[in-house]
Amino acid sequence: GDSVTQMEGPVTLSEEAFLTINCTYTATGYPSLFWYVQYPGEGLQLLLKATKADDKGSNKGFEATYRKETTSFHLEKGSVQVSDSAVYFCALSDLKTSYDKVIFGPGTSLSVIP
Amino acid sequence: ETGVTQSPTHLIKTRGQQVTLRCSSQSGHNTVSWYQQALGQGPQFIFQYYREEENGRGNFPPRFSGLQFPNYSSELNVNALELDDSALYLCASSLGAGGSTDTQYFGPGTRLTVL
Repeated sequence: GDSVTQMEGPVTLSEEAFLTINCTYTATGYPSLFWYVQYPGEGLQLLLKATKADDKGSNKGFEATYRKETTSFHLEKGSVQVSDSAVYFCALSDLKTSYDKVIFGPGTSLSVIP
Repeated sequence: ETGVTQSPTHLIKTRGQQVTLRCSSQSGHNTVSWYQQALGQGPQFIFQYYREEENGRGNFPPRFSGLQFPNYSSELNVNALELDDSALYLCASSLGAGGSTDTQYFGPGTRLTVL
């Protein structure tokens, strides 16, 4: 079945460092891809999404490009801040079914230190 | 602000008991989905309701059941609680009927602890 794999954390970076969190997926169809963020003690917030190959999603300085040839959707940010400390989930939406089932990766914890 | 609310925030139950968790979707959102997030893991899809009918279910046993009401509220019921049911339960609402790319908006979750 469809699945999502993410780089293991935790990831610790200094403020203003460059961030990459790798995400690859397995899907037989043409899924939409998402990055969600979960701040401590909170629910999930949609960070960005891409619905077709070569689309780039972006929000709050974060970017990710839907790469069908490598089945990847890596998250990047040029300069992280302490406030970016959170758990990041890569996810896909299975469009083959009649319902919107979102499949999540295991999450990558990011800590940004001053 | 997503507008999705859940209650209660925290809940402690003992093995074998039954629990009801509640969710209030964004107004106009006809679809609600429920997810279970165990500690340190990604959320797992439980089921989805569209206009008060279940239209999709993940790999969860029948003791997990739900209801959706016309006023955009919904419930997740779990019978015969087991220790492994301890998790954060998230509901998410979206506009469409499924098979689409509608964004799912998540609530803050209910933390269930089963002793």
